[in-house]
Amino acid sequence: DAMVIQNPRYQVTQFGKPVTLSCSQTLNHNVMYWYQQKSSQAPKLLFHYYDKDFNNEADTPDNFQSRRPNTSFCFLDIRSPGLGDAAMYLCATSRDGAYGYTFGSGTRLTVV
Amino acid sequence: EDKVVQSPLSLVVHEGDTVTLNCSYEVTNFRSLLWYKQEKKAPTFLFMLTSSGIEKKSGRLSSILDKKELSSILNITATQTGDSAIYLCAVELSGGYQKVTFGTGTKLQVIP
Repeated sequence: DAMVIQNPRYQVTQFGKPVTLSCSQTLNHNVMYWYQQKSSQAPKLLFHYYDKDFNNEADTPDNFQSRRPNTSFCFLDIRSPGLGDAAMYLCATSRDGAYGYTFGSGTRLTVV
Repeated sequence: EDKVVQSPLSLVVHEGDTVTLNCSYEVTNFRSLLWYKQEKKAPTFLFMLTSSGIEKKSGRLSSILDKKELSSILNITATQTGDSAIYLCAVELSGGYQKVTFGTGTKLQVIP
């Protein structure tokens, strides 16, 4: 089945140690998004790719970067994770933003 | 600033009850309103609403949009314990941004 897959499901990283989360999709959607969701809060958009064009939200910290080497894959890099970066990270895709979003199952990041 | 507000924030009902969840929005460049169900993982898509007054139904769930009132409701009839979840409302924006703004969600608990 076509889907959005995030790896790993759970990630524990040390304070300040770079970490990469991955997202892959078989939907051939041209738009990919990364959301951060903290406990009891709504998902917050960090950035998105429209095709190869990267779009950063104004309030996304510089600590967060992203790469999209091809249509199917997108990575979220956190250069120096802090305790406040512990959250669920959700990847989502859409076709031209035209119809709903398909979410991956998320990666829960713990920073110790 | 774009804003999506959901009410109530949380709700506890007994199995068999009918519930109505509310979502109101203040955004520029409205394109569509989306409802998601989020259990312990990523949000799953329920409905997309673009036209006022047209009810969308899926089993015991239904939703309708009122563009004049800038709001939407999600109804769940004959609730079951499996309906316990956070219900997220999101508004999709047009104008080239290809993104959604989420409400903080309504936490629904259905008790036997």
